[in-house]
Amino acid sequence: KNEVEQSPQNLTAQEGEFITINCSYSVGISALHWLQQHPGGGIVSLFMLSSGKKKHGRLIATINIQEKHSSLHITASHPRDSAVYICAAQLGGGADGLTFGKGTHLIIQP
Amino acid sequence: DTGVSQDPRHKITKRGQNVTFRCDPISEHNRLYWYRQTLGQGPEFLTYFQNEAQLEKSRLLSDRFSAERPKGSFSTLEIQRTEQGDSAMYLCASSLQGGNTIYFGEGSWLTVV
Repeated sequence: KNEVEQSPQNLTAQEGEFITINCSYSVGISALHWLQQHPGGGIVSLFMLSSGKKKHGRLIATINIQEKHSSLHITASHPRDSAVYICAAQLGGGADGLTFGKGTHLIIQP
Repeated sequence: DTGVSQDPRHKITKRGQNVTFRCDPISEHNRLYWYRQTLGQGPEFLTYFQNEAQLEKSRLLSDRFSAERPKGSFSTLEIQRTEQGDSAMYLCASSLQGGNTIYFGEGSWLTVV
């Protein structure tokens, strides 16, 4: 059983729409990562959160430790945002053996 | 380029052959991780090193798999007697001990035919 659950698994939206991807986890964590994976495999780290909210450009990530839930938002979505977005739970004090969700496949249509 | 690099990026091999993947982490990072990812799934943890010491191994890492990091810098992941079920992308990542940011390589795709 995957301890990190993401929803939705697939999401298709029109350019400009506000996008929300959700992540729930079942164990206590020290941090939660949001990652972006493009076709071909390369993974880019977007955010590392242990509390509150972080913003970078059009991307916003929030986490609620009590509810064991995090969200990734994309404002003014663009076709270049099309990718797989993965959340990963970090259990240890360092980047110890992340537990990954299955990813959300996002397609932004022009 | 000072990121995490992996080689080869793609490998097609016949069932039963041995394959080896190499990972060069970011130079000052003392932690190095290997993950496996199959189509439609998120990455799964295989093993990690702190310097040259292999500190944790997943039960996914069968006896046919071995990973080394002999000098605490680059690492190799060898798969012996490959099976079709080994077809996956093998991802390497590195970080600083106690650091919170983990940097991923581009991955090495393995296809066993």
